[in-house]
Amino acid sequence: SYELTQPPSVSVSPGQTATITCFGDQLGDKDACWYQHKPGQSPVLVLYQNRRRPSGIPERFSGSNSGNTATLTISETQAMDEADYYCQVSDSSTSVVFGGGTKLTVL
Amino acid sequence: QEQLVESGGALVKPGGSLRLSCAASGFPFSAYYMNWIRQTPGKGLEWLSCISSSGKTTYYADSVKGRFTISRDNNKKSLYLHLSSLRVEDSAVFYCARAPIYDASTGPSYGLDVWGRGTAVTVSS
Repeated sequence: SYELTQPPSVSVSPGQTATITCFGDQLGDKDACWYQHKPGQSPVLVLYQNRRRPSGIPERFSGSNSGNTATLTISETQAMDEADYYCQVSDSSTSVVFGGGTKLTVL
Repeated sequence: QEQLVESGGALVKPGGSLRLSCAASGFPFSAYYMNWIRQTPGKGLEWLSCISSSGKTTYYADSVKGRFTISRDNNKKSLYLHLSSLRVEDSAVFYCARAPIYDASTGPSYGLDVWGRGTAVTVSS
């Protein structure tokens, strides 16, 4: 089965740029999504098709996907961005895979 | 406001059964494919199942195929997941989520754009 690997944690200072990676075999051939999940809240889709932002998601959130790595970049990181972030891909109707999640800490 | 609210989570014994519900509001429920996803402390998010907008087509992860059954009632704007033969490792928070696009070849190619807050299932003797 397909697997996605994320770093368990990333730390960033307020106002700086946070980069969260997601690794998978030939991941660049697939469309990646990213979700933000804060404790006790619903997960929120922040990027789909690698780089597209749903309505209401700030421009600070951007993404890329090439080779074996998809990347979520959060510029001008704010305290409110502190959350768990998950990448996700699907390559069939029954193969919907999430990464293990990355805890973003804004110090 | 587009909203999903799960319910039905409980403490259940191994081998038991349970039905989870997800109530939708604020959008045309019958137009969308709907999904169930669970989150376990050790394994993160795991996609479980999807059902087409009409309810005629269902998809399952191999890990739950034959034990979990997804269904929907468009008149009631509700999604369901029947869990049976429950195991300790099924303990998780279960979420329902909407797929704006669901292709038979590529699945939810636009991601899952509306989620509920989840309902907790604990399987323990």
